Amino acid sequence: QVQLVQSGTEVKKPGASVKVSCKASGYTFRSYGISWVRQAPGQGLEWMGWISPYDGDTKYPQNLQDRVTLTTDTSTGTAYMELRSLRSEDTAQYYCARDWGSYADYWGQGTLVAVTS
Amino acid sequence: QSALTQPASVSGSPGQSITISCTGISSDVGVYTYVSWYQQHPGKAPKLMTYDVNKRPSGVSDRFSGSKSGNTASLTISGLQAEDEADYYCSSFTRGIRVFGGGTKLTVL
Repeated sequence: QVQLVQSGTEVKKPGASVKVSCKASGYTFRSYGISWVRQAPGQGLEWMGWISPYDGDTKYPQNLQDRVTLTTDTSTGTAYMELRSLRSEDTAQYYCARDWGSYADYWGQGTLVAVTS
Repeated sequence: QSALTQPASVSGSPGQSITISCTGISSDVGVYTYVSWYQQHPGKAPKLMTYDVNKRPSGVSDRFSGSKSGNTASLTISGLQAEDEADYYCSSFTRGIRVFGGGTKLTVL
């Protein structure tokens, strides 16, 4: 069965960087894109970007494109999201999702990133 | 692209039907926009409920249906059940960019 398993909780100081992993299993990793979505406490979903494991093509929203980098390791079936220059507003639950484009059908369990001094 | 607009909350009694709207869907000529809806229970990851406007993944009840007219998409839930109480998010995907609505809290009275 399709599974996306994410890395554990991260606690970071303002100005630091964080890298969250998302290990995929149960399907051909290179055949489907991966989106990253975050959710601040009590807030809605915010799309952070998309990557194609097939060719490394990436798409980012304008408001995050200077601070976020998405990568994949096709040898291990793992996707990564790195967010730099962290601030308190980046405290959120971060999700990866298998994303066809027309829809995101399988989601990871989420990774809490807390930014605190 | 700007976030999509949804009502903050809707409510209904068991057995009733409710509709959640989502405005701001791109309707540019010659560009196809994919619309999907997600359900999220507290503390859980979102779950895909409908996609390509009105298709359902395997395992999702046929009580959930999607539609689209112009720049507005809608999710209708018929025969409301207690377990439908959750947050619902619409999402569009156009030219490689995904956008989510602000979310709607559904309360089953």
